[in-house]
Amino acid sequence: DGGITQSPKYLFRKEGQNVTLSCEQNLNHDAMYWYRQDPGQGLRLIYYSQIVNDFQKGDIAEGYSVSREKKESFPLTVTSAQKNPTAFYLCASSIAGGEPQHFGDGTRLSIL
Amino acid sequence: RKEVEQDPGPFNVPEGATVAFNCTYSNSASQSFFWYRQDCRKEPKLLMSVYSSGNEDGRFTAQLNRASQYISLLIRDSKLSDSATYLCVVKDNYGQNFVFGPGTRLSVLP
Repeated sequence: DGGITQSPKYLFRKEGQNVTLSCEQNLNHDAMYWYRQDPGQGLRLIYYSQIVNDFQKGDIAEGYSVSREKKESFPLTVTSAQKNPTAFYLCASSIAGGEPQHFGDGTRLSIL
Repeated sequence: RKEVEQDPGPFNVPEGATVAFNCTYSNSASQSFFWYRQDCRKEPKLLMSVYSSGNEDGRFTAQLNRASQYISLLIRDSKLSDSATYLCVVKDNYGQNFVFGPGTRLSVLP
C-alpha cells in the first residue's frame, strides 16, 4: 500500500542528545514537510522540502535539522539545541499544485 | 492577524444536530483549501477539498467565498463518530506551503 511511514512511534531523548525521526514515503511525492504539534495546539511548520537536495526553514526551525538525499526520505534531527522538544511530530507529503497533504501517523518525543 | 483563523470552540452538540464551522484566511493569493479532521493523539486526515463552487460529500458540505476570504464546513445529522478537531487548511501555490488553522473541536453527545 502507498503511504507515509514514520518511525519510531515513541521516542525518548536524554538531555544533550540528538535524536533522528524517520519519514519515508512511497507515494512519489516531490514535497515533504515536518510539523510539530503541542497538546491542544495547531500544527507548526519546522522544515519543508520541495525537491531532492533542497529544503527550507519553516516557522520554528531552530534546534532542528533535516536532509533530503532521496525523494522518498526526509529525516528530522532534533538537536540538543532544542530545549523543549517534547511534542507530537508529524511528517507529510504532497505533489505539486493544488493537491492536499497526506500525513504519517506521527512520532511522540519525550524527554527522559 | 493570524493567517488562518477558526471558530474557537469547543462545540458540544447532540446527535443528529447540524453544526457549522467557519474559517477565515488573510492571504488573498491562497489558491487551494481543505478541511482535515484530527482525532485525539492521531494524525490529521483529509476530510474534503473545498472548491469554488462549493462541494458536498454525504453529510458534509464545504463552501468557499473568495471575496470574503471565508471557508465553511457544514455537518448534517451529526454522529458520535464525528467527534474530532476540524482543521481548516489553506495553500498558497506560490509558496507551496500549507497553512493550518488552530482547529475547532467538536463533541457530539448521545
